[in-house]
Amino acid sequence: DIVMTQTPLSLSVTPGQPASISCKSSQSLLHSDGKTYLYWYLQKPGQPPQLLIYEVSNRFSGVPDRFSGSGSGTDFTLKISRVEAEDAGVYYCMQSRQLPWTFGQGTKVEIK
Amino acid sequence: QVQLVQSGAEVKKPGASVKVSCKASGYTFTSYYIHWVRQAPGQGLEWMGVINPSDGGTTYAQKFQGRVTMTRDTSTSRVYMELSSLRSEDTAVYYCARGFFPYDFWSGSGDWGQGTLVIVSS
Repeated sequence: DIVMTQTPLSLSVTPGQPASISCKSSQSLLHSDGKTYLYWYLQKPGQPPQLLIYEVSNRFSGVPDRFSGSGSGTDFTLKISRVEAEDAGVYYCMQSRQLPWTFGQGTKVEIK
Repeated sequence: QVQLVQSGAEVKKPGASVKVSCKASGYTFTSYYIHWVRQAPGQGLEWMGVINPSDGGTTYAQKFQGRVTMTRDTSTSRVYMELSSLRSEDTAVYYCARGFFPYDFWSGSGDWGQGTLVIVSS
């Protein structure tokens, strides 16, 4: 199975400040079809994960442009340019390059 | 709009089975794979398997092979996940999740059900 490793595991951010989460995979997520199957989700308490970014850098419909994703191969980053109170929750990276899907451990983001 | 509505919470005894349903609406049911993911209390996310609603084909995580069965009913646009020989470690919220792109086996998911809590306790 592909192992997804996120850092840091927790983050405390002041509103208006930037935040960054790293995700590293144990194997390349580049598929032979040319796509890189790396996704970012945010899960708020009592809710299912909500998609933020698909295929490394594409924002899902309705996701604010303060969220951006980057990276390639095995190294990926989610950045929030200016954190807002509603951004609190647990962020997960996920790979669907190979079954089983595997997720990072999660990064808990707290707003100061 | 796309909706995945799951069945309600269940309490089961060890050794029993549970069957969770996921009713899809707002899109062509047979065009998107449906995955099942679970989350134990306070823990991370764990993929269980996937079903192709078009032909019923399934792929399961090795961990659940022999204990999980995923089926679909195209007449009601429902997908089912049955887990047998339940143990306390199966206590979790179970989610169905729709593949992101139609007919794309490898795409992740953009739409998730609300989750179904399954408690396994004697």
